[in-house]
Parts: sequence; structure tokens; C-alpha cells
Amino acid sequence: DQQVKQNSPSLSVQEGRISILNCDYTNSMFDYFLWYKKYPAEGPTFLISISSIKDKNEDGRFTVFLNKSAKHLSLHIVPSQPGDSAVYFCAASPYLIQGAQKLVFGQGTRLTINP
Amino acid sequence: ETGVTQSPTHLIKTRGQQVTLRCSSQSGHNTVSWYQQALGQGPQFIFQYYREEENGRGNFPPRFSGLQFPNYSSELNVNALELDDSALYLCASSSIAGATYEQYFGPGTRLTVT
Repeated sequence: DQQVKQNSPSLSVQEGRISILNCDYTNSMFDYFLWYKKYPAEGPTFLISISSIKDKNEDGRFTVFLNKSAKHLSLHIVPSQPGDSAVYFCAASPYLIQGAQKLVFGQGTRLTINP
Repeated sequence: ETGVTQSPTHLIKTRGQQVTLRCSSQSGHNTVSWYQQALGQGPQFIFQYYREEENGRGNFPPRFSGLQFPNYSSELNVNALELDDSALYLCASSSIAGATYEQYFGPGTRLTVT
């Protein structure tokens, strides 16, 4: 049962353009959403997060949008740079009070930025 | 500030053997979580430790067990290794007291079971 889905295994974007990565979830108990970036031979690096009480959060070139009614979130990267080439994981967490601080991850999207 | 470290980097074991993986959490963090990442998949939650006790577990059998020490470092033990246990094992640290959801990952241990 895949509760967090990233339906695009890969995405190719030209340098300087906008990259949009998408993520869908099924569990309405998810309260917090995060994006991680992963380079080969490294662990995932935290990028940006959003609480379910918000619909947008920005941090520099990165913006995450949350549409709770559609159970959909997206990560926008503007402008895209060659160093952004990596695998991006969407993750979700239920309310903190409900036991472990468990993250549920999607399968990942490989982003390639072309010069 | 010291990040999350894991050892060893790589490990090759034979089916049926036992393995212990180690993790040192980021300074200031009191919670450690372990994840298994199979090839081409996202990380899957194994379990979490807080105050030296298991604080939640994913869908993994009892032969996956762990420990957390007073300095918040942690071990993941896997008994009776199976071929499907071959994966990248990730440790992540966080702070429940901080009431945030962000977890910070180490570089992982690549386990190969032959």
C-alpha cells in the first residue's frame, strides 16, 4: 500500500527553467510534508517542509505547495541549476502525538538539469 | 555541529549471518530512526528509538532489532540475514522535544547479503 506516490520516475529540465516535482498521498492523517534531495553515495538531505495548516512555503529558489483537498503537493525550483540534479523524495508524517515520528517516503523522482 | 555518522560504509554478509550497524546522532538530537532503502525505492521506516526505548516500528520482522545508548547513538541488529535484506540502511536523528518533523540522515550503510 503506497501511501505516498511520486508518479514521475524522472524529469529533465533545462538550466534556468522551472522544475516542478509532484507528489500525491492517500492518508488523511498526514500532518506534515517534507522534501529531501539525495545525491549518489550520500544520505537524503532535508530541503524544505510544509505543515498541513499552510498551502505554501518558500525558501530561496525552492517553494512547496500543498493542496489538501486533492492530497497533492509539489516542489518548484526556480531557476534550476546543474547542482540540483539529484533524486528528490517526497515524505509525509502523521501527527506527532500519534507515536513515532515516522516518515513515509515516495519512490523518488530523478531530476536532471541540462546545460 | 556534528552531523549524523554511520559505520561501516559497506558490508558483505552471507545468508543466515547476523549484522550490527552503528549510528551517531547529530548533536542536540535525542531520537534516532532507522530506514531501509531498497534499490529504486524510497526509504522505509524500520523503527525509532527515544530515551533508549523503541518508540514505534514499521512492518519489519522481529529479527530486526535495535538499541539506543545514553549518548543517543544507536545500533541496528539484523539476525538470520536473508538475500532480500540487501539494501542501503539509513539512520536519521531528530529531536522530539523540538516538536519538529525534520529528520537528518547519515550517509548510510550498504549491506549486501550473498
